[in-house]
Amino acid sequence: GNSVTQMEGPVTLSEEAFLTINCTYTATGYPSLFWYVQYPGEGLQLLLKATKADDKGSNKGFEATYRKETTSFHLEKGSVQVSDSAVYFCALRIDTGGFKTIFGAGTRLFVKA
Amino acid sequence: GAVVSQHPSWVICKSGTSVKIECRSLDFQATTMFWYRQFPKQSLMLMATSNEGSKATYEQGVEKDKFLINHASLTLSTLTVTSAHPEDSSFYICSASLAGSTDTQYFGPGTRLTVL
Repeated sequence: GNSVTQMEGPVTLSEEAFLTINCTYTATGYPSLFWYVQYPGEGLQLLLKATKADDKGSNKGFEATYRKETTSFHLEKGSVQVSDSAVYFCALRIDTGGFKTIFGAGTRLFVKA
Repeated sequence: GAVVSQHPSWVICKSGTSVKIECRSLDFQATTMFWYRQFPKQSLMLMATSNEGSKATYEQGVEKDKFLINHASLTLSTLTVTSAHPEDSSFYICSASLAGSTDTQYFGPGTRLTVL
């Protein structure tokens, strides 16, 4: 089946620390991969995406590379800010006779000043 | 950017009553809208896919008679939880895709339903 597994949170970091949130997937076929972010009190927003193997998605200093060999799409940022505190969701989108998005459980990030 | 709103943002109701949640795309036309349910500290679970002018497609295990979905226009979809019970208490989130786009979804802020 199709599924997404991401590291459990919460993750607590100090400002300017390096961030990695792990995400692995299983899929029948060739999915597109996404990271969404949910700030407190707001809806999910697309952070970045990659549509094929070896593609790198990037936005706002965040990056993730589509690794088909390890079925992973880990999120990284070199220097986090307090404003990055949010919940991050890894997701895949696949055509099962109609496109469907499957989400990971979400990882809450707290960044301390 | 594309904005999706939900109303109400939270609702408390008595067991046995019905509750309607609205999802609107404010500045774009959405041929497809999705309804998700999110339990505490868990992922979003897709409940149904709603295409404007046609019947919604429900995911396995989702009762279509209990969760009525109507997508009457390109900017509005509604989810009605009928004869609500405490186990229906959850966070309901909708998303919308732009007409002609299958890859990008815009999410509403969610509706917290509490059934007493």
